[in-house]
Amino acid sequence: GAGVSQTPSNKVTEKGKYVELRCDPISGHTALYWYRQSLGQGPEFLIYFQGTGAADDSGLPNDRFFAVRPEGSVSTLKIQRTERGDSAVYLCASSLWSTPTTEQFFGPGTRLTVL
Amino acid sequence: ILNVEQSPQSLHVQEGDSTNFTCSFPSSNFYALHWYRWETAKSPEALFVMTLNGDEKKKGRISATLNTKEGYSYLYIKGSQPEDSATYLCASPTNTGNQFYFGTGTSLTVIP
Repeated sequence: GAGVSQTPSNKVTEKGKYVELRCDPISGHTALYWYRQSLGQGPEFLIYFQGTGAADDSGLPNDRFFAVRPEGSVSTLKIQRTERGDSAVYLCASSLWSTPTTEQFFGPGTRLTVL
Repeated sequence: ILNVEQSPQSLHVQEGDSTNFTCSFPSSNFYALHWYRWETAKSPEALFVMTLNGDEKKKGRISATLNTKEGYSYLYIKGSQPEDSATYLCASPTNTGNQFYFGTGTSLTVIP
């Protein structure tokens, strides 16, 4: 079956620009997560959605980052006024529900480069 | 924030060698431990979910053990093959499972 997909796979932008990253989760998965992997680091949690609502956005680094999931399926991560430090691989994951033992299924990521 | 650490950072082995690497995590507040394999340009793929002290899981040539009392898990690969080349990540979830705390990964290169 179809896995988690993310678009674009690569995005190059200039400092100060606005970008949107899209995530299509596995059909039927109510839980959706965004992570960011900076160079030399492991993936870091950004935000978790349960259905349409952001149940935990404690990982968003600042108010330039925002994410939506209006219909409980596709999610968009939005970054305003991009900075060079935002350059990273942005990973999306989904799962049927959210428990410590539930596997999160990951997409291939979007590599964002801010020049 | 949970401090999850992995070692070594990178590893080069010859085809046919067996290898292992370590994930350490806080032994308090343990709920589970996840292992993932991440090949370049692909999605991270789940290998194991470890839950109980003394757990041992196996998938083909790959196996993992768990010690929750001392806060570590080992991943073993027997008879490494070039297709095993990848970054291996471990992650410790919060009590709700909302957040996974990942280590920095071990990058394995198997030389033919």
